[in-house]
Amino acid sequence: KNQVEQSPQSLIILEGKNCTLQCNYTVSPFSNLRWYKQDTGRGPVSLTIMTFSENTKSNGRYTATLDADTKQSSLHITASQLSDSASYICVVSANRGGYNKLIFGAGTRLAVHP
Amino acid sequence: GAVVSQHPSWVICKSGTSVKIECRSLDFQATTMFWYRQFPKQSLMLMATSNEGSKATYEQGVEKDKFLINHASLTLSTLTVTSAHPEDSSFYICSARDFLLEGGYQETQYFGPGTRLLVL
Repeated sequence: KNQVEQSPQSLIILEGKNCTLQCNYTVSPFSNLRWYKQDTGRGPVSLTIMTFSENTKSNGRYTATLDADTKQSSLHITASQLSDSASYICVVSANRGGYNKLIFGAGTRLAVHP
Repeated sequence: GAVVSQHPSWVICKSGTSVKIECRSLDFQATTMFWYRQFPKQSLMLMATSNEGSKATYEQGVEKDKFLINHASLTLSTLTVTSAHPEDSSFYICSARDFLLEGGYQETQYFGPGTRLLVL
């Protein structure tokens, strides 16, 4: 069972609408949580990074939340644009033997339609 | 942010040939680089961790003799897929770890743009 579960697997929204992506994790010991955007055929690009003490982090139209108690995170996209069409990957960093190992979620594939 | 490049961006080869993929950190020194493989509609899977000047550490199930990794300098790591077969066709992504502080975090990984390999 994957230690990082994302939902939904895929999502279609109309341009201009908002959406929220979910990430639940069981990774321990927790170091930090990141959201990445991966365009088709490209490498992931970091959107936000949060430690256990941070509840929310914004990057333009992207706002991530973290509840370290329930081990849940969300990524909210405001006023979506066609260029937001991509896979969004939740990555939890676990402290293993003095360095951080990244545990990847399967991603949510977002399609923004005009 | 830091930049990581990969070359080539895509490659098509015949079954049985070897393919080398380069990963470079362009504006920082990376003592550690990581190689991932990604199949369609799946997430990244770590193949190996490459430390400069030492042997790579491979994840369980990854054949070290098939996927040769060399990390000879602080800015370059190479992955060679030896005797490639169609099942090796995938998207290969590298990342480089920068230990400089970024927003107070100990380290962060920067991903390359990926290399798409198609073995015929």
